[in-house]
Amino acid sequence: NAGVTQTPKFQVLKTGQSMTLQCAQDMNHEYMSWYRQDPGMGLRLIHYSVGAGITDQGEVPNGYNVSRSTTEDFPLRLLSAAPSQTSVYFCASSFGGQNEKLFFGSGTQLSVL
Amino acid sequence: GIQVEQSPPDLILQEGANSTLRCNFSDSVNNLQWFHQNPWGQLINLFYIPSGTKQNGRLSATTVATERYSLLYISSSQTTDSGVYFCLFNSGGSNYKLTFGKGTLLTVNP
Repeated sequence: NAGVTQTPKFQVLKTGQSMTLQCAQDMNHEYMSWYRQDPGMGLRLIHYSVGAGITDQGEVPNGYNVSRSTTEDFPLRLLSAAPSQTSVYFCASSFGGQNEKLFFGSGTQLSVL
Repeated sequence: GIQVEQSPPDLILQEGANSTLRCNFSDSVNNLQWFHQNPWGQLINLFYIPSGTKQNGRLSATTVATERYSLLYISSSQTTDSGVYFCLFNSGGSNYKLTFGKGTLLTVNP
């Protein structure tokens, strides 16, 4: 049982490049979400999903796209990376929705030059 | 919007001391969790506690929903308790967003 798996762990991009951060969970969780963590700002919600085919915006969605084609996977796409997107990204999931215990992946450290 | 405020922002202790961390929230609570982020960045779920009191070893947590706050108690602190402690809040209903406080940075010195 792997829990919440994020890949890659580290990534360096140049401004304007695109990439996808992968998130997968094997716990049959309906609720999945992406957060970014910046110094002094805590963790801020980017996008979330309450089930396959359903996504919605969080607090800081600009510059990011998501999709949820399966229950297991919730990728985060950066279409044109900017230095302001340098951050640590965390994926999280829970079984029953926003009212349940949340489990986190180990994070992806992204640098945009 | 929903406010989640943690205090104190920073705390320095000597090993063996006790501490209380506080999380205030601005709406009725449906979900309240406490996390510890260790120096390697890993987020560990300590408590799921929308109401009442729970204990796990040297740690305990209490949420007083009617007064809109939660407390995390750390007794006999150890150097391994160092890191950032976050509370996570949701008001339920049609609100699917979970909101973090900005955290308390705890340093336990030997």
